[in-house]
Amino acid sequence: GENVEQHPSTLSVQEGDSAVIKCTYSDSASNYFPWYKQELGKRPQLIIDIRSNVGEKKDQRIAVTLNKTAKHFSLHITETQPEDSAVYFCAAALNQAGTALIFGKGTTLSVSS
Amino acid sequence: GAGVSQSPSNKVTEKGKDVELRCDPISGHTALYWYRQSLGQGLEFLIYFQGNSAPDKSGLPSDRFSAERTGGSVSTLTIQRTQQEDSAVYLCASSLDGLKETQYFGPGTRLLVL
Repeated sequence: GENVEQHPSTLSVQEGDSAVIKCTYSDSASNYFPWYKQELGKRPQLIIDIRSNVGEKKDQRIAVTLNKTAKHFSLHITETQPEDSAVYFCAAALNQAGTALIFGKGTTLSVSS
Repeated sequence: GAGVSQSPSNKVTEKGKDVELRCDPISGHTALYWYRQSLGQGLEFLIYFQGNSAPDKSGLPSDRFSAERTGGSVSTLTIQRTQQEDSAVYLCASSLDGLKETQYFGPGTRLLVL
């Protein structure tokens, strides 16, 4: 089955710096890779996702890159702000009905002002 | 529109008791998922339902855990003879059919087994 590894487990940056979180997956058939943000005490919320037919996707300050050959994908946050502080989870899944997401263990991002 | 809802929001129970956790998915979503999140840990897949197909139970940690989904909508996760290690936040998510994979999470049920 699929296995997702996520690094680093914690990340501290200064406001305005960039943050990068990396994930690797094991199942080469996986083709859907979402990222979720979970603020303290709240539910996970989708922030961006990428499918295997593209190598990069951007949404304002957030971007995700995918390297299918190496089976890894990364989240990039530019110009970080204190409100970006949260736990970020990557996940991988097969693009088929009812597929469950396999999550990484999460990265706690702290942005200090 | 209304998102995924779960009840209760918090549940405290004694070791050995049974508990039922409820999930109301987004209307029209055919897929429903249960995950468990232990303190400081990631999201652990438990079970998912897709339409009328047999559920994928491959993530259930033991036979004390079971789940039902009635009428293709509401789902109940049951934990029998609870143990302290069952203490966690249980999250439910739903999504449209296989063409749309985005999963929307509920607020979770925080379970504490004393």
